[in-house]
Amino acid sequence: EIVLTQSPATLSLSPGERATLSCRASQSVSTYLGWYQQKFGQVPRLLIFDASNRAPGIPARFSGSGSGTDFTLTISSLEPEDSAVYYCQQRSMWPLTFGGGTKLEIK
Amino acid sequence: EVQLVESGGGLVQPGGSLRLSCAASGFTFGSYWMHWVRQAPGKGLECVARIKIDGSSTTYADSVKGRFTISRDNAKNTLYLQMNSLRAEDTAVYYCTRGMLYLEDVFDIWGQGAMVTVAS
Repeated sequence: EIVLTQSPATLSLSPGERATLSCRASQSVSTYLGWYQQKFGQVPRLLIFDASNRAPGIPARFSGSGSGTDFTLTISSLEPEDSAVYYCQQRSMWPLTFGGGTKLEIK
Repeated sequence: EVQLVESGGGLVQPGGSLRLSCAASGFTFGSYWMHWVRQAPGKGLECVARIKIDGSSTTYADSVKGRFTISRDNAKNTLYLQMNSLRAEDTAVYYCTRGMLYLEDVFDIWGQGAMVTVAS
Protein backbone atom coordinates (compact mmCIF):
# COMPACT_ATOMS: atom_id res chain seq x y z
CA GLU A 1 0.00 0.00 0.00
CA ILE A 2 1.26 3.46 -0.89
CA VAL A 3 1.41 5.69 2.18
CA LEU A 4 0.96 9.42 1.70
CA THR A 5 2.42 11.70 4.36
CA GLN A 6 1.19 15.28 4.49
CA SER A 7 2.93 18.19 6.15
CA PRO A 8 2.50 20.29 8.08
CA ALA A 9 -0.39 18.86 10.06
CA THR A 10 -1.68 22.35 10.75
CA LEU A 11 -0.96 25.66 9.08
CA SER A 12 -2.12 29.05 10.32
CA LEU A 13 -1.82 31.98 7.92
CA SER A 14 -3.40 35.35 7.24
CA PRO A 15 -5.54 36.39 4.28
CA GLY A 16 -3.41 37.34 1.30
CA GLU A 17 -0.51 35.12 2.34
CA ARG A 18 0.77 32.18 0.32
CA ALA A 19 0.15 28.63 1.56
CA THR A 20 2.37 25.70 0.65
CA LEU A 21 1.14 22.20 1.53
CA SER A 22 3.27 19.11 1.03
CA CYS A 23 2.45 15.48 0.25
CA ARG A 24 5.11 12.77 0.13
CA ALA A 25 4.49 9.26 -1.21
CA SER A 26 6.18 6.12 0.11
CA GLN A 27 6.95 5.13 -3.49
CA SER A 28 6.64 6.79 -6.85
CA VAL A 29 3.11 7.57 -8.03
CA SER A 30 4.31 9.31 -11.21
CA THR A 31 1.90 12.26 -11.53
CA TYR A 32 -1.17 10.30 -10.40
CA LEU A 33 -1.84 12.49 -7.40
CA GLY A 34 -4.77 14.74 -6.60
CA TRP A 35 -5.83 17.22 -3.96
CA TYR A 36 -9.20 17.60 -2.22
CA GLN A 37 -10.56 20.32 0.04
CA GLN A 38 -12.95 19.55 2.87
CA LYS A 39 -14.45 22.47 4.73
CA PHE A 40 -15.83 21.87 8.21
CA GLY A 41 -19.02 19.81 8.09
CA GLN A 42 -18.94 19.60 4.29
CA VAL A 43 -18.25 17.05 1.59
CA PRO A 44 -14.76 16.81 0.04
CA ARG A 45 -14.26 18.72 -3.19
CA LEU A 46 -11.78 17.93 -5.96
CA LEU A 47 -9.26 20.73 -6.48
CA ILE A 48 -6.38 19.27 -8.50
CA PHE A 49 -5.97 16.01 -10.40
CA ASP A 50 -2.88 14.39 -11.85
CA ALA A 51 -0.53 16.67 -9.92
CA SER A 52 -1.18 19.96 -11.69
CA ASN A 53 -4.58 20.02 -13.39
CA ARG A 54 -7.21 22.22 -11.81
CA ALA A 55 -10.70 20.74 -11.66
CA PRO A 56 -13.50 22.69 -13.35
CA GLY A 57 -14.56 25.76 -11.40
CA ILE A 58 -11.52 25.83 -9.13
CA PRO A 59 -9.99 29.32 -8.77
CA ALA A 60 -6.60 29.98 -10.34
CA ARG A 61 -5.05 30.73 -6.94
CA PHE A 62 -4.94 26.96 -6.38
CA SER A 63 -2.06 25.20 -8.14
CA GLY A 64 -0.35 21.85 -7.86
CA SER A 65 3.10 20.60 -8.76
CA GLY A 66 5.38 17.62 -8.34
CA SER A 67 6.03 14.13 -9.62
CA GLY A 68 7.36 10.86 -8.32
CA THR A 69 7.18 11.06 -4.54
CA ASP A 70 7.02 14.78 -3.71
CA PHE A 71 4.06 17.02 -4.39
CA THR A 72 2.94 20.51 -3.43
CA LEU A 73 -0.39 22.31 -3.32
CA THR A 74 0.03 26.07 -3.40
CA ILE A 75 -2.65 28.63 -2.63
CA SER A 76 -1.19 31.88 -3.92
CA SER A 77 -3.23 34.43 -1.98
CA LEU A 78 -5.39 33.10 0.82
CA GLU A 79 -9.04 33.97 1.18
CA PRO A 80 -11.01 33.46 4.41
CA GLU A 81 -13.06 30.71 2.72
CA ASP A 82 -9.93 28.64 2.13
CA SER A 83 -10.06 27.48 5.74
CA ALA A 84 -10.36 23.68 5.44
CA VAL A 85 -8.60 20.35 5.64
CA TYR A 86 -6.71 19.46 2.48
CA TYR A 87 -6.10 15.85 1.49
CA CYS A 88 -3.86 14.39 -1.18
CA GLN A 89 -4.83 11.12 -2.89
CA GLN A 90 -2.92 8.77 -5.18
CA ARG A 91 -4.42 6.78 -8.02
CA SER A 92 -1.22 5.00 -9.09
CA MET A 93 -2.29 1.67 -7.65
CA TRP A 94 -5.01 0.00 -5.62
CA PRO A 95 -5.71 0.51 -2.82
CA LEU A 96 -6.23 4.15 -3.63
CA THR A 97 -5.00 6.02 -0.60
CA PHE A 98 -5.34 9.45 0.96
CA GLY A 99 -2.92 11.38 3.09
CA GLY A 100 -3.79 12.24 6.67
CA GLY A 101 -4.65 15.82 5.78
CA THR A 102 -3.36 19.32 6.47
CA LYS A 103 -5.62 21.64 8.42
CA LEU A 104 -5.37 25.20 7.11
CA GLU A 105 -6.53 27.92 9.45
CA ILE A 106 -7.02 31.49 8.27
CA LYS A 107 -6.25 33.98 11.02
CA GLU B 1 -27.75 19.26 -11.92
CA VAL B 2 -25.29 16.44 -11.35
CA GLN B 3 -26.18 14.81 -8.05
CA LEU B 4 -25.54 11.77 -5.90
CA VAL B 5 -27.88 11.05 -2.99
CA GLU B 6 -27.10 8.31 -0.48
CA SER B 7 -29.64 6.56 1.70
CA GLY B 8 -29.83 3.56 3.99
CA GLY B 9 -27.51 4.60 6.78
CA GLY B 10 -28.31 4.09 10.43
CA LEU B 11 -27.49 2.31 13.68
CA VAL B 12 -26.74 -1.40 13.53
CA GLN B 13 -25.40 -3.90 16.05
CA PRO B 14 -22.00 -5.54 15.60
CA GLY B 15 -22.33 -8.51 13.28
CA GLY B 16 -25.35 -6.99 11.58
CA SER B 17 -25.99 -5.94 7.99
CA LEU B 18 -26.95 -2.77 6.18
CA ARG B 19 -27.38 -1.80 2.55
CA LEU B 20 -26.55 1.66 1.31
CA SER B 21 -27.99 3.06 -1.91
CA CYS B 22 -26.82 5.99 -3.99
CA ALA B 23 -29.21 7.54 -6.51
CA ALA B 24 -27.49 9.34 -9.37
CA SER B 25 -29.02 12.06 -11.51
CA GLY B 26 -27.97 14.69 -14.02
CA PHE B 27 -25.46 12.53 -15.88
CA THR B 28 -25.18 9.24 -17.80
CA PHE B 29 -24.63 6.95 -14.83
CA GLY B 30 -23.68 3.94 -16.94
CA SER B 31 -20.65 5.75 -18.38
CA TYR B 32 -18.80 6.23 -15.10
CA TRP B 33 -16.90 4.13 -12.63
CA MET B 34 -18.33 4.55 -9.15
CA HIS B 35 -16.79 4.32 -5.69
CA TRP B 36 -17.59 4.24 -2.01
CA VAL B 37 -15.28 6.29 0.24
CA ARG B 38 -15.71 6.43 4.00
CA GLN B 39 -14.64 8.75 6.77
CA ALA B 40 -14.65 7.69 10.41
CA PRO B 41 -15.64 10.44 12.87
CA GLY B 42 -12.86 13.02 13.09
CA LYS B 43 -10.62 10.96 10.81
CA GLY B 44 -9.37 10.94 7.23
CA LEU B 45 -10.69 9.37 4.06
CA GLU B 46 -10.56 5.69 3.06
CA CYS B 47 -11.44 4.16 -0.31
CA VAL B 48 -13.70 1.20 0.38
CA ALA B 49 -14.73 -0.20 -3.01
CA ARG B 50 -15.06 0.63 -6.69
CA ILE B 51 -17.02 -0.78 -9.61
CA LYS B 52 -16.52 -0.60 -13.35
CA ILE B 53 -19.06 1.07 -15.62
CA ASP B 54 -20.84 -2.18 -16.49
CA GLY B 55 -20.37 -3.87 -13.13
CA SER B 56 -18.01 -6.48 -14.57
CA SER B 57 -15.14 -5.61 -12.25
CA THR B 58 -15.05 -4.70 -8.57
CA THR B 59 -12.22 -3.94 -6.15
CA TYR B 60 -12.23 -3.75 -2.36
CA ALA B 61 -10.09 -2.46 0.45
CA ASP B 62 -8.57 -5.28 2.50
CA SER B 63 -10.45 -3.99 5.54
CA VAL B 64 -13.83 -4.84 3.97
CA LYS B 65 -13.01 -7.66 1.55
CA GLY B 66 -15.33 -10.61 2.01
CA ARG B 67 -17.82 -8.57 4.06
CA PHE B 68 -18.89 -5.75 1.72
CA THR B 69 -20.27 -6.01 -1.81
CA ILE B 70 -20.51 -3.12 -4.26
CA SER B 71 -23.01 -3.36 -7.10
CA ARG B 72 -24.92 -1.14 -9.50
CA ASP B 73 -28.11 -1.05 -11.52
CA ASN B 74 -27.54 1.16 -14.54
CA ALA B 75 -31.20 0.95 -15.52
CA LYS B 76 -32.12 2.52 -12.17
CA ASN B 77 -29.10 4.87 -12.00
CA THR B 78 -28.29 3.46 -8.59
CA LEU B 79 -25.15 2.30 -6.79
CA TYR B 80 -25.27 -0.05 -3.79
CA LEU B 81 -23.06 -1.15 -0.94
CA GLN B 82 -24.13 -4.29 0.91
CA MET B 83 -22.36 -4.39 4.25
CA ASN B 84 -22.35 -7.63 6.27
CA SER B 85 -20.62 -8.71 9.48
CA LEU B 86 -20.32 -5.09 10.53
CA ARG B 87 -17.75 -4.10 13.13
CA ALA B 88 -17.37 -1.06 15.35
CA GLU B 89 -14.49 0.12 13.17
CA ASP B 90 -16.86 0.35 10.19
CA THR B 91 -18.56 3.31 11.86
CA ALA B 92 -18.18 6.20 9.43
CA VAL B 93 -19.82 8.50 6.96
CA TYR B 94 -20.01 6.64 3.66
CA TYR B 95 -19.72 8.77 0.54
CA CYS B 96 -20.81 7.69 -2.90
CA THR B 97 -18.40 9.20 -5.43
CA ARG B 98 -18.11 9.34 -9.19
CA GLY B 99 -14.88 8.58 -11.02
CA MET B 100 -14.07 11.24 -13.56
CA LEU B 101 -14.61 10.28 -17.20
CA TYR B 102 -11.46 8.50 -18.49
CA LEU B 103 -9.83 9.11 -15.08
CA GLU B 104 -11.87 6.62 -13.14
CA ASP B 105 -9.98 6.94 -9.87
CA VAL B 106 -10.35 10.72 -9.61
CA PHE B 107 -13.42 11.58 -7.54
CA ASP B 108 -15.09 14.55 -9.17
CA ILE B 109 -18.60 14.31 -7.68
CA TRP B 110 -19.46 13.37 -4.09
CA GLY B 111 -22.75 12.63 -2.42
CA GLN B 112 -23.66 14.21 0.90
CA GLY B 113 -22.82 11.01 2.76
CA ALA B 114 -24.68 8.40 4.80
CA MET B 115 -23.81 7.86 8.45
CA VAL B 116 -23.34 4.26 9.56
CA THR B 117 -22.97 3.59 13.27
CA VAL B 118 -22.07 0.11 14.47
CA ALA B 119 -22.72 -0.21 18.20
CA SER B 120 -24.61 -2.31 20.70
